[in-house]
Amino acid sequence: NAGVTQTPKFQVLKTGQSMTLQCAQDMNHNSMYWYRQDPGMGLRLIYYSASEGTTDKGEVPNGYNVSRLNKREFSLRLESAAPSQTSVYFCASSEWATFLDQPQHFGDGTRLSIL
Amino acid sequence: DQQVKQNSPSLSVQEGRISILNCDYTNSMFDYFLWYKKYPAEGPTFLISISSIKDKNEDGRFTVFLNKSAKHLSLHIVPSQPGDSAVYFCAASAREYGNKLVFGAGTILRVKS
Repeated sequence: NAGVTQTPKFQVLKTGQSMTLQCAQDMNHNSMYWYRQDPGMGLRLIYYSASEGTTDKGEVPNGYNVSRLNKREFSLRLESAAPSQTSVYFCASSEWATFLDQPQHFGDGTRLSIL
Repeated sequence: DQQVKQNSPSLSVQEGRISILNCDYTNSMFDYFLWYKKYPAEGPTFLISISSIKDKNEDGRFTVFLNKSAKHLSLHIVPSQPGDSAVYFCAASAREYGNKLVFGAGTILRVKS
């Protein structure tokens, strides 16, 4: 019962370095999401993929890119990391984005620090 | 501009008593509401949800109440157990926005034994 798997769990980067966060789900879900969580704030949507082959911006997309590699995998890339991107990143998946009664399932997060 | 607000950062409750977590929203387009529970170093897990066509949904010890006119929902946990100690996030979505979730900042619940 792996569910949603995120790698790595922790990472420290220097300003300007690039990094790709990996996410894979084994629930045959069609929709996948990337969120960030900052202290005192709820999770904020960065990008999502409603189905394989599509990606769309969420609330806070600046500084990020995504790739929906296949149905299982959805990666998040920081091209030039900035201290403001220090955060905990969560990947999630759901059966279909348009099904309101299908809750999203989350991975355990990647804690990213940028110095 | 926070569309989903959880105004109590933390709540402490005695084991066996009722825990009431509150959530307010500002966007009248929201038509589905969810509660997620999060333990440290883990991802959020889905707890319970409610559609805007209902005013109450129950699942075991957990009940969510929705007051649309007040744009307010609450999560009741009865009886509270030490294992319920976690961060609780309220989230809202709208069919108009393709089911994208908008989260509140969370409330830390501590259940004392």
